[in-house]
Amino acid sequence: AQKITQTQPGMFVQEKEAVTLDCTYDTSDQSYGLFWYKQPSSGEMIFLIYQGSYDEQNATEGRYSLNFQKARKSANLVISASQLGDSAMYFCAMREGSIPGGYQKVTFGIGTKLQVIP
Amino acid sequence: DGGITQSPKYLFRKEGQNVTLSCEQNLNHDAMYWYRQDPGQGLRLIYYSQIVNDFQKGDIAEGYSVSREKKESFPLTVTSAQKNPTAFYLCASSIVKEETQYFGPGTRLLVL
Repeated sequence: AQKITQTQPGMFVQEKEAVTLDCTYDTSDQSYGLFWYKQPSSGEMIFLIYQGSYDEQNATEGRYSLNFQKARKSANLVISASQLGDSAMYFCAMREGSIPGGYQKVTFGIGTKLQVIP
Repeated sequence: DGGITQSPKYLFRKEGQNVTLSCEQNLNHDAMYWYRQDPGQGLRLIYYSQIVNDFQKGDIAEGYSVSREKKESFPLTVTSAQKNPTAFYLCASSIVKEETQYFGPGTRLLVL
């Protein structure tokens, strides 16, 4: 089974509108973390937002918010007031296991390509 | 400015040749990682290191080698044993006890 599933290969959004990028995950761990990264055409992966499995509030960072629904195992990214510079690939990722001690593997989804239309 | 640098931006490899990709960070992070990205796929972990002079294989380590002689540096060698090396390679680093990995700009490796 896929650990991280991003079912939208491509999305379009009108400038200044909000858009939701879907991400579902699969884990049996109680402690895990969820991330979203942005990858513009230049290639660099830019960290956007993080949600811990025990965090009760949805994470927010400026125009980015993470809609965390634990029972559904979903961690959708919401971008408000889209800008042309938001056009990029977006990757959802999950870290499983607790932090103290050794490395905890991070698994990435295959990404969603977002295009913002003027 | 603190950050992660990777060089070169583009690298060409001839058949049977070993090539080395550079990754340097000045974030004072203990952990460093190498990922490979192929079109239409997510990132796959090649090697990681949590401390100087120690590193561990990731999911796709065959045909690759690394060293970690300095905290700031984690070079990746793509050996001739890697039969399909054409990909985009990303280096990342993190504070070991924190969640987030931060990435460099990447190196695109092409085979001549």
